[in-house]
Parts: sequence; C-alpha cells; structure tokens
Amino acid sequence: GAGVSQTPSNKVTEKGKYVELRCDPISGHTALYWYRQSLGQGPEFLIYFQGTGAADDSGLPNDRFFAVRPEGSVSTLKIQRTERGDSAVYLCASSLRPTSVRNTQYFGPGTRLTVL
Amino acid sequence: AQSVTQLGSHVSVSEGALVLLRCNYSSSVPPYLFWYVQYPNKGLQLLLKYTSAATLVKGINGFEAEFKKSETSFHLTKPSAHMSDAAEYFCAVIQGAQKLVFGQGTRLTINP
Repeated sequence: GAGVSQTPSNKVTEKGKYVELRCDPISGHTALYWYRQSLGQGPEFLIYFQGTGAADDSGLPNDRFFAVRPEGSVSTLKIQRTERGDSAVYLCASSLRPTSVRNTQYFGPGTRLTVL
Repeated sequence: AQSVTQLGSHVSVSEGALVLLRCNYSSSVPPYLFWYVQYPNKGLQLLLKYTSAATLVKGINGFEAEFKKSETSFHLTKPSAHMSDAAEYFCAVIQGAQKLVFGQGTRLTINP
C-alpha cells in the first residue's frame, strides 16, 4: 500500500514569509508525528497528533510554528515569519496507534525547507 | 529522560567485512530501542526494534542488534557488508509512548 507522503519535496522561501508543509499519513493510521532534521543531526520531535488533537506539542520551538490535523488524516505544519534557522528537512511519520511501542512509526521522505 | 549516543559519526568498512555501529542509551526505565536507516533523499526506514521480548533482535537486510543492559548498549551489526548498505543509520529510544529520541547518526561508507 501507499506510504506516508509529504508535499512539497522541496520548498525555498525568503526570510519572513509564511510556509505550509503537508503530510498524508498511511490510511487508517490514527497517530501522526512531525520531526525536524537539521543538517548533520538526527531528527528532533516537534508534535504528535492522536486523531484530530495535538496530544503533545512540546517540541515546537516557538509560537511561529503551528500544526493542524482537522479531519484526523492529512496534517499541515505551518511556519510563520520564517527565519534562516528554520532551514531543515521536516519529516512526518504515522503509526497505527500510539499507545504501544510495538507500533512502528513509518516515515515519509520529508520536505526540505530552505529559507534564504 | 531517555537519550541515546552514537559513537562515531562516520564508519567505513570494506565490502564483505563486518559492520559494527555503536549505540549507548541512557534511561531510568527499561528502554525500547530502535535502529533506523536513511538512504539519500529517502525517508527513515525501520531496521529493527527492541521491545524486551528478546535481547538479540534480527532485522531486515541481514542486520541484527543485541541489547546489553550491563553495558547500556544496543549496537548494530551485520556479518558481511554490501555496497547497498551505504547510508545513514540512526539509533533511537522511545520517550513516553510516542516520542522517538534519535542519536546524531552514523554515516556508513562501504569500500569496494
């Protein structure tokens, strides 16, 4: 079946602009996660959704970052007033349900964001 | 809080040689540990995971890892490297039931 998809694959924007990154999880997966991977680093957790609600947003770096999942499927990560330090690969993952570590998180290919 | 440390940001081996990628964990509770692989311009793919069922875990592509509580380690091994194994490898630990905490990654290069 289809895996996690993310669009766009690449996004170049200017400092101060607003961007939206989209994640389409595996069908039937109730849990969705966003991670950010800076160059030469491992991914860092941003936010996790269970259904439509953000169950844990402790990884969002500041209030310029916001994410939604209005119908419990597709999610959008929104970044306002982008800064050069926001440049990274944004990864999305989904899992069947979050309550057991036996449920694998499946990752999408990521969106590479470059802020000029 | 749980964390993992990967020893060696770059590892280079010859084709056919043993692959050993090191990961040590820090956890106040029994950890659940994972190894992921990332090929260039591809998403992270799960290689294997330790969930306390067995200390020796076999994964995909001939990889395996052994959980050693006495050494707080979860090193990844493969008996014979193949050119297609060249990639970035990440060790991770689950925090709570949802959050993966990743190491810095180890880039594996295979020499012909």
